[in-house]
Amino acid sequence: GAVVSQHPSWVICKSGTSVKIECRSLDFQATTMFWYRQFPKQSLMLMATSNEGSKATYEQGVEKDKFLINHASLTLSTLTVTSAHPEDSSFYICSARGSGGSYEQYFGPGTRLTVT
Amino acid sequence: QKEVEQNSGPLSVPEGAIASLNCTYSDRVSQSFFWYRQYSGKSPELIMSIYSNGDKEDGRFTAQLNKASQYVSLLIRDSQPSDSATYLCAVIRTGFQKLVFGTGTRLLVSP
Repeated sequence: GAVVSQHPSWVICKSGTSVKIECRSLDFQATTMFWYRQFPKQSLMLMATSNEGSKATYEQGVEKDKFLINHASLTLSTLTVTSAHPEDSSFYICSARGSGGSYEQYFGPGTRLTVT
Repeated sequence: QKEVEQNSGPLSVPEGAIASLNCTYSDRVSQSFFWYRQYSGKSPELIMSIYSNGDKEDGRFTAQLNKASQYVSLLIRDSQPSDSATYLCAVIRTGFQKLVFGTGTRLLVSP
């Protein structure tokens, strides 16, 4: 149980284009989803928290107009990197937390984005 | 002072030994504690969660929590080379949703 998928697993795009990453909870309803970014040999950095049906809450320093997050259903959240630049190249990982009293978060496998 | 502190390692143990990973946290109102394992180039995987003082065992893993000392640990018995990874300690503070991670301890298990 508690499986989270991400699509695509890797993507290469040209500078200036937009990329959408999907995060799905496969066997549970995720009331809250989180988006992280991780650069090589660095710690996970939380970008935003999204609750189903509400606007995402972004961490300080994360541009909400650049990183668009939509959590339209209890099993799907999307992250769109708009007007991507090479410095946006990173490993993007989502996590999901189910409803009920558990605080456990389950991570997706991640999406490796390379902007050329 | 960092909210969650871990020794970065690497912690080297021989195969079959017990690996002991430690974590301290600064906020006394923290309520939930987690250990994640992250292999290089992969996303974190939840190993254990612990919410109350004492020990919690799951297979070869034992998590220990001492709220008075603000200390949480992970013991891995019969360590295997496949356990070689970075182990992340994470904490959730009361009233918050987000995980606060330590920087991780790199574990190396030699055959």
